[in-house]
Amino acid sequence: DIQMTQSPASLSASLEEIVTITCKASQGIDDYLSWYQQKPGKSPQLLIYDATSLADGVPSRFSGSRSGTQYSLKISRPQVDDSGIYYCLQSYSTPLTFGSGTKLEIK
Amino acid sequence: QVQLTESGPGLVHPSETLSLTCTVSGFSLTGYSVYWVRQPSGKGLEWMGRMRYNGDTSYNSALKSRLSISRDTSKNQVFLKMNSLQTDDTGTYYCTRIEHWGQGVMVTVSS
Repeated sequence: DIQMTQSPASLSASLEEIVTITCKASQGIDDYLSWYQQKPGKSPQLLIYDATSLADGVPSRFSGSRSGTQYSLKISRPQVDDSGIYYCLQSYSTPLTFGSGTKLEIK
Repeated sequence: QVQLTESGPGLVHPSETLSLTCTVSGFSLTGYSVYWVRQPSGKGLEWMGRMRYNGDTSYNSALKSRLSISRDTSKNQVFLKMNSLQTDDTGTYYCTRIEHWGQGVMVTVSS
C-alpha cells in the first residue's frame, strides 16, 4: 500500500503568511494527487487535482506542486475562511490512501 | 450537474448489517468510478472501496471480509453493504467521484 505522510498536523498562520502543507508518498504516484479542504460537518471539497490543477471555483491563492514524491499545497495570503482541515489523497493505485490531515487556523 | 447522494439508516445495532445507497446524477456509472469513504467522528478519512466504471470492485483489505459494493446502472445507484458492524464503525459515510462528494450519511452503531 502507498503511504501518504502529511505534515504538519496543525498550523496557525496570519493573513500575511504563506501556508505550506506537504504530503510525501512512499512511492511514485504519477501526480495522481488531490488536495481537499474540510470544514466541520461538511464533506471534503476539492481544491487541487492531478497535483497542480486548480479545481473549478477555487481561489487562485491555492496552488499545488511536486518535488520528487513530495507534494505541497500552498496558500498565499490566506483568508480567515481558509481555516479547516486539509487532506491529500493519492488515487494512483488501490487502496487509495489519504494523508492524516492538517488542521489550519488562520488568525 | 454532478451530484452524489447517500442514503441509509442512521442507527445500526452491533453485529447487524449496514446497507447504504449512493444515488448519482449528472454522469453515468459506466463512465466513472465511484468510491466509498468513511470518517469516524473527529478523525481522518478512510477509503473503503471502489466500484469501477466497468463493474470491477476493489476493497480496503482491512474491511474486505465484511464489505460488498455493487451497483444498478439503470437506477444510477451504487450500494454498500457491510456486515458484523461494531461501535468503531460509527461515523460518516461518503460516496465520491474523487472530484465530487456526497453530503455524507452519519451512521451510529449502538444497541
